[in-house]
Amino acid sequence: DIVLTQSPATLSLSPGERATLSCRASQSVGGSLAWYQQKPGQAPRLLIYGASNRATGIPARFSGSGSGTDFTLTISSLEPEDIAVYYCQQRSNWPLTFGGGTKVEMK
Amino acid sequence: QVQLVESGGGVVQPGRSLRLSCGTSGIPFSSSGMHWVRQAPGKGLEWVAMIWSDGSKTYYADSVQGRFTISRDNSENMLYLQLNSLRAEDTAVYYCARDKGVTSLDYWGQGTLVTVSS
Repeated sequence: DIVLTQSPATLSLSPGERATLSCRASQSVGGSLAWYQQKPGQAPRLLIYGASNRATGIPARFSGSGSGTDFTLTISSLEPEDIAVYYCQQRSNWPLTFGGGTKVEMK
Repeated sequence: QVQLVESGGGVVQPGRSLRLSCGTSGIPFSSSGMHWVRQAPGKGLEWVAMIWSDGSKTYYADSVQGRFTISRDNSENMLYLQLNSLRAEDTAVYYCARDKGVTSLDYWGQGTLVTVSS
């Protein structure tokens, strides 16, 4: 199985700061990587698919980059509503796998 | 408006069975692959199973292979997950989600909680 390792586990930032979240795969997934946002008590929401494509309705401050084994989700200027846990997910190989998540909190 | 609504969760004893349902509207269900994903309390997301749009192929996580069965009824726009031989570690919120077809899951239900406890 492909293991996705997310770092850091927790990110504490002030409003307006830039958030950089990392996802590393145990083997190449090409560009088959997605990012999700999950707020407490809510279902996950798709942010980024195909490593760098914003899903419908996602604000431009969210961007994804990377390929192969190293991927990054960037929030260019953190808003209070961005407080959540963020997960990466691959479907290059079965089984589909998720990373362990990065919790973004306000400083 | 897209809606995925799970039902069928509850408290069940170890070794017993449960059937989850996911009703959908606002998506072309009969041409959509569908997934079940679960989340144990306070934990991360775990993919469980996937079924092709026509039901011809299914995939399972090793942790549920042989115990869970994913199925669908395209005439009713319904997705199902049959959970057999339940274990305490199957306790989780179970989400249904649509396969976007480009590596990701784009629409999710709000989830249904399954608690396995004696």
